[in-house]
Amino acid sequence: AQSVTQPDIHITVSEGASLELRCNYSYGATPYLFWYVQSPGQGLQLLLKYFSGDTLVQGIKGFEAEFKRSQSSFNLRKPSVHWSDAAEYFCAVGASNTGKLIFGQGTTLQVKP
Amino acid sequence: GAGVSQSPSNKVTEKGKDVELRCDPISGHTALYWYRQRLGQGLEFLIYFQGNSAPDKSGLPSDRFSAERTGESVSTLTIQRTQQEDSAVYLCASSTTGYSTEAFFGQGTRLTVV
Repeated sequence: AQSVTQPDIHITVSEGASLELRCNYSYGATPYLFWYVQSPGQGLQLLLKYFSGDTLVQGIKGFEAEFKRSQSSFNLRKPSVHWSDAAEYFCAVGASNTGKLIFGQGTTLQVKP
Repeated sequence: GAGVSQSPSNKVTEKGKDVELRCDPISGHTALYWYRQRLGQGLEFLIYFQGNSAPDKSGLPSDRFSAERTGESVSTLTIQRTQQEDSAVYLCASSTTGYSTEAFFGQGTRLTVV
């Protein structure tokens, strides 16, 4: 069975600073990996996904993530954070044999002016 | 419809009552997921339907919870004899194949058990 760990429950960064949100997964085969964002009062929106090919994937809103098989990680990054990026971020792993999608506990991002 | 539709958007029920939550997935989506999100918590997997395969019910927390799906269409999540700890937002999502494709989420049903 797959699982996802997001070690940071809450992160605060200053506007304009860089951001990295950590995600570690557990899955026996090559996983499908996703990052979703949930803004206050909004539904979940896909930021980016990885399922094969280039291990550095680009997403919407200037986000990127890098798949590192050796570290079982899929960390989300952004070079310069905007106040509108304040939200809840969820990492998810999809099983390649069944499609079952499991989410981490989420990381709350607060952006200081 | 254009997106995943869930109804009702809000439901307040008395402890011990049964509730039924509905999800209309995007047309043509074969995969459908139910998740529970308690206040300030992550998404807890409940159940997963993929085409005609037997559903993955491994996340259902107790036998009070059940879900059905009619073909590749509407799904209902039923909670019997509701308890206060069932209070949460119940999210439904659908995707085309359930594999590497994006899962689209509904706005959720906020359930409050009083």
